[in-house]
Amino acid sequence: EPEVTQTPSHQVTQMGQEVILRCVPISNHLYFYWYRQILGQKVEFLVSFYNNEISEKSEIFDDQFSVERPDGSNFTLKIRSTKLEDSAMYFCASSEGLGAAETQYFGPGTRLLVL
Amino acid sequence: AQTVTQSQPEMSVQEAETVTLSCTYDTSESDYYLFWYKQPPSRQMILVIRQEAYKQQNATENRFSVNFQKAAKSFSLKISDSQLGDAAMYFCAYRRNSGYALNFGKGTSLLVTP
Repeated sequence: EPEVTQTPSHQVTQMGQEVILRCVPISNHLYFYWYRQILGQKVEFLVSFYNNEISEKSEIFDDQFSVERPDGSNFTLKIRSTKLEDSAMYFCASSEGLGAAETQYFGPGTRLLVL
Repeated sequence: AQTVTQSQPEMSVQEAETVTLSCTYDTSESDYYLFWYKQPPSRQMILVIRQEAYKQQNATENRFSVNFQKAAKSFSLKISDSQLGDAAMYFCAYRRNSGYALNFGKGTSLLVTP
């Protein structure tokens, strides 16, 4: 069964450094998402991406965040200058479409620790 | 803004018994989708069941079923014949029909005891 994959599984970085989290969505999916889950808290939506542009973003997704689909398979989340409060599990998800066809399939997550 | 509330931080059920997890939501939309996701210790979130708001019939998936009360804005998950592998965090989520974002509740941790 096709799966969403994410690399790395764990990332440790220093405050102020840039990090890039990578995701490979399911191959025939057209919509891509990033969510984050701070330890002990609920999963929060960051951004959705379709047709090479952001389709929706939350208040969390400020100027320090960016997303990109650099090729036909990868979908990345970049955090330009990490802060301590960016420490969280970051989940990538993808869906085939919207409406009745839409189920968002989640990857296993990348645990980001900012020191 | 839509909010999703799961009022039970933890629940416990014995193997083979039935358990119901509660979820309520707040929305002014009439057309939306509701989901239950399971997050086992491996942390990968897995879709358990989905309900379209325009459908009156409650969704079922094998041992999992929902009680969708649109007027009450309630969407509870019933797990029948609970198994040890059902132990996980369960998240209720809402998505409006015209949107992309899943809005999650805080989750209910389900413990299954032998």
